[in-house]
Amino acid sequence: KQEVTQIPAALSVPEGENLVLNCSFTDSAIYNLQWFRQDPGKGLTSLLLIQSSQREQTSGRLNASLDKSSGRSTLYIAASQPGDSATYLCAVINTGGFKTIFGAGTRLFVKA
Amino acid sequence: DGGITQSPKYLFRKEGQNVTLSCEQNLNHDAMYWYRQDPGQGLRLIYYSQIVNDFQKGDIAEGYSVSREKKESFPLTVTSAQKNPTAFYLCASSIINNEQFFGPGTRLTVL
Repeated sequence: KQEVTQIPAALSVPEGENLVLNCSFTDSAIYNLQWFRQDPGKGLTSLLLIQSSQREQTSGRLNASLDKSSGRSTLYIAASQPGDSATYLCAVINTGGFKTIFGAGTRLFVKA
Repeated sequence: DGGITQSPKYLFRKEGQNVTLSCEQNLNHDAMYWYRQDPGQGLRLIYYSQIVNDFQKGDIAEGYSVSREKKESFPLTVTSAQKNPTAFYLCASSIINNEQFFGPGTRLTVL
């Protein structure tokens, strides 16, 4: 059974710092992996989608990598800003399946 | 303006009452999903649908029901059989097995 873990559960950094959020999954047979951002009381906003054949995706200050063999993905945020404060969730879809399995998220706080 | 809408934003349910949460999308996506989110936990899948008039149970379907009569709409009914319905409910849609897009959510509280 696929399990998705995100460490740390919470992170506080000063503005301007580069940071890495981690996501690990137990079954490497995934179809894709998606990173989301969630603000308090809001829905999820898609940040990056990495297909299983890809190693990384970039959007602005965000870069997500995928290593299927080790069951890991990282989300790199460059030059963090207070507006980046939110919960970041990763999710995987297994090969041959349809269900999406989510991690519990990392709550990020960027101090001005 | 394309996207997913959910209504209402807040919903209150009395004991023994059924309530229905609305989810509509104009993205022409075949797949739609309902998730439940509890504090400090990831999202858990309630039901999903890949095509009109077809839907499948997710991990926590007990006490919930859905319908998919139109491609754009996937309403969720929380029945009185759901013993702990207080949660944040999120609807999503996608091209099958592709990037998911989420609505703004409905917060359900049991009185």
